[in-house]
Amino acid sequence: NAGVTQTPKFQVLKTGQSMTLQCAQDMNHNSMYWYRQDPGMGLRLIYYSASEGTTDKGEVPNGYNVSRLNKREFSLRLESAAPSQTSVYFCASSERGYEQFFGPGTRLTVL
Amino acid sequence: RKEVEQDPGPFNVPEGATVAFNCTYSNSASQSFFWYRQDCRKEPKLLMSVYSSGNEDGRFTAQLNRASQYISLLIRDSKLSDSATYLCVVTRGGYQKVTFGTGTKLQVIP
Repeated sequence: NAGVTQTPKFQVLKTGQSMTLQCAQDMNHNSMYWYRQDPGMGLRLIYYSASEGTTDKGEVPNGYNVSRLNKREFSLRLESAAPSQTSVYFCASSERGYEQFFGPGTRLTVL
Repeated sequence: RKEVEQDPGPFNVPEGATVAFNCTYSNSASQSFFWYRQDCRKEPKLLMSVYSSGNEDGRFTAQLNRASQYISLLIRDSKLSDSATYLCVVTRGGYQKVTFGTGTKLQVIP
């Protein structure tokens, strides 16, 4: 039982490059989330998916797209990376909207 | 005003001390409250939920004051292993709106 897994763990991009962050959970949760965490800003919600087939914008969705591929997987795509997207990205899942279980995070640097 | 506010600290306390953190929230429609713990360069993990009647889990006690719109976390007999950042989380509208505080850093010193 791996919980929530994320790939990659680290990534360095150049401005304008694209990439997809992968997230998978094996807890059969309906809800999944993508957050970014920046110093002094706390965790900010980028997108969430209340259930398979639905996605909604969070607090800071600009510059990102998501895909809820199936119940297990929720990916985050940066189409044209910018230095302002340098951050630590966390995926999380939950059931009933209560306790959220987080993945180990992806540390992204955009040069 | 931020929806959830915490004193960033750091709180530096000796082993065995009692320490308390508060977290204020601005939206009176907030429904559920939690404390998460985040170790350096790790993911957040749920420490405890906060119930209206208050709740205790070993050395940790959480309280909710709806009238003054704050929650608190009390840690008794601090251990070195308690050193971490403590995040306050407030939700409303079910999972529609989840807001994390920026965290309070605790350093327990020998």
